[in-house]
This record gives sequence, C-alpha cells and structure tokens, in this order.
Amino acid sequence: QVELQQWGAGLLKPSETLFLTCAFDDASFSNYFWSWVRQPPGKGLEWIGEINHSGDTKFSPSLKSRVTISVDTSKRQFSLRLTSATAADTAVYYCSRGPREGVRPAADAFDIWGQGTVVTVSS
Amino acid sequence: QSVLTQPPSVSGAPGQRVTISCAGSTSNIGADYDVHWYQHLPETAPKLLIFNNNNRPSGVPDRFSGSKSGASASLAITGLQAEDEADYYCQSYDSSLSAYVFGTGTKVSVL
Repeated sequence: QVELQQWGAGLLKPSETLFLTCAFDDASFSNYFWSWVRQPPGKGLEWIGEINHSGDTKFSPSLKSRVTISVDTSKRQFSLRLTSATAADTAVYYCSRGPREGVRPAADAFDIWGQGTVVTVSS
Repeated sequence: QSVLTQPPSVSGAPGQRVTISCAGSTSNIGADYDVHWYQHLPETAPKLLIFNNNNRPSGVPDRFSGSKSGASASLAITGLQAEDEADYYCQSYDSSLSAYVFGTGTKVSVL
C-alpha cells in the first residue's frame, strides 16, 4: 500500500510560521481530499483542514484565520502553513487521506496516515 | 473542546468485553453522518479501526465492532487483549462547524 510521507521543520520560535509537506506517490492522488490533523501533548486529535487536487479547501473554524493548505498536483504533494505560532501549536502533526471527491462528508474515513512530525514552539 | 464526547478511560481484564461510547448531537452523528473509529498507540500514527459505523478494514480482528444509533455511536472490544491498550477516538462531521470532528478520546487499559 502506498504511504504518506511527511516532512518539515520541528522547532519554531513564537510568532514564526509552521510549514509541513506531505507526499502521496500514487495516481489516485487526484481522487481524494487530503487533511492535516494534530495532537497537542496530553490532548486529543484535532482536525486542521483539507484540500483536494483542485485546491478546494476547508478549515477548522478555530484555526481558519492562521492556516493555509496548498497543493502541488504535479508532485502529488500538499502543504500546511500555520502563521503566528505559539506554544499552543506545539503538537504532533499528521497528514491523512480522505474522503474521496464527490462523496458526502464523513462518507469515507481517514484511512492512510503519515508518520507524524513533532513540532515544538519555544523561545 | 470536541463536540463528540467519550469517556476518558475504560478498563477490563483480559478476555472481557469493554465498550466505548461516543455522544454527539443533531448536527453531527444525529444528522446521519457516518462515524469512524481509530486506535492510537504512543509514537505511532492513528490506525483506522472501524469505518462507516460498523465496518472493519482488512486486517482488523473481528473482536472490534462498531454501532450507531441516533446521535451516538459505540465501539466494542470483545476478548480484550494486552495489545489493545491504546487510545481510541471516534470521528465524524459536524454541519454546524462545517468541519470534521474527533471525539475526546478514551484510554483503554487491560488490568
């Protein structure tokens, strides 16, 4: 099964911008929405936002003002940008696949996940 | 805070059955959005355990089962094993938030 590979800087100072990228090397890339999910230390999973190959996006209301998700279909990659980082953004960040395009929200689960990136925001 | 509420922890002896509830509302589970369940072990990525309320991906033991009724859902683990110690999360979609939502998470301990 094709995997999601993610990478990006793991240590930021307050007010800096978080930037992570995720890649899925399969032609089915264009058939799905692609999400970012995070888990702060000692807390639960939090959905950040999603994008499809056309650049259609949706974001969590609590993060919408600071989040950008972009896509490079030619490379089958998508990226997360979170501005004005604070200690509250310290978390493990995951990329994931799902749902398929054209289906009702939550009709598909997040079935493939990246390995996770530990991001620490500290001065 | 999450709109899907789970008990913080459940525990059971090896071989026993435990259930984890996921309470939602009329804007998510009660609006007929499907519920999915994930198993999350430390230092690993979440693993899809149950999709579309009551379906198991290939490779997931049939000891795990899911159900949904009204605005809530449940995950049951029968024949509890030591390897089942993990955090479990339900997930759905909320139409009021226009966002995907995860449950608060439940830690399963095997006594």
